[in-house]
Amino acid sequence: LAKTTQPVSMDSYEGQEVNITCSHNNIATNDYITWYQQFPSQGPRFIIQGYKTKVTNEVASLFIPADRKSSTLSLPRVSLSDTAVYYCLVGDPWAAGNKLTFGGGTRVLVKP
Amino acid sequence: SQTIHQWPATLVQPVGSPLSLECTVEGTSNPNLYWYRQAAGRGLQLLFYSVGIGQISSEVPQNLSASRPQDRQFILSSKKLLLSDSGFYLCAWSVRVGGGYTFGSGTRLTVV
Repeated sequence: LAKTTQPVSMDSYEGQEVNITCSHNNIATNDYITWYQQFPSQGPRFIIQGYKTKVTNEVASLFIPADRKSSTLSLPRVSLSDTAVYYCLVGDPWAAGNKLTFGGGTRVLVKP
Repeated sequence: SQTIHQWPATLVQPVGSPLSLECTVEGTSNPNLYWYRQAAGRGLQLLFYSVGIGQISSEVPQNLSASRPQDRQFILSSKKLLLSDSGFYLCAWSVRVGGGYTFGSGTRLTVV
């Protein structure tokens, strides 16, 4: 399973855009990049998944360069409720068991 | 729609006592099922995953075991709890191919 590296923590302010970059230098051909959000005492929640270039949904955007060795989760105009831990995961969703390994995540604190 | 149920929400157990945590999924068939544990302030550690009834894969050797007696039921057990078993236990499911995980609401276990 590809190992990921992401910042331990980030601070931001309401209304700003937050960009979290994840490094995954040994990503495999069949691997996808998936981001989850976790609030205290809750299970992680799926945010977005992508393979290459750019993916956008109603919550976030995911930017993946051509070499796929990193990815950036972009949260537009964050609010206080976006304070959470964000996990970057890399894996093959079609593999048997489809098991994902969570790293330490990035703790995002949104300030008023 | 698919839902995942996990109970109990909180549990306080003495050292040496047995444990049984149950997770059930509704609205889907033949899901992949997972048990994760999260220590305080830490990331998620994959404990067990299952691709079918009676099929259990263990990721880390420990004081816990898992069983899948029915297609949509996943049970985490221990014969004798240790203090180090304290943590936040999360059940999750994923579809056979593609997509992300859906997590349950978690069980906070405190072993005293």
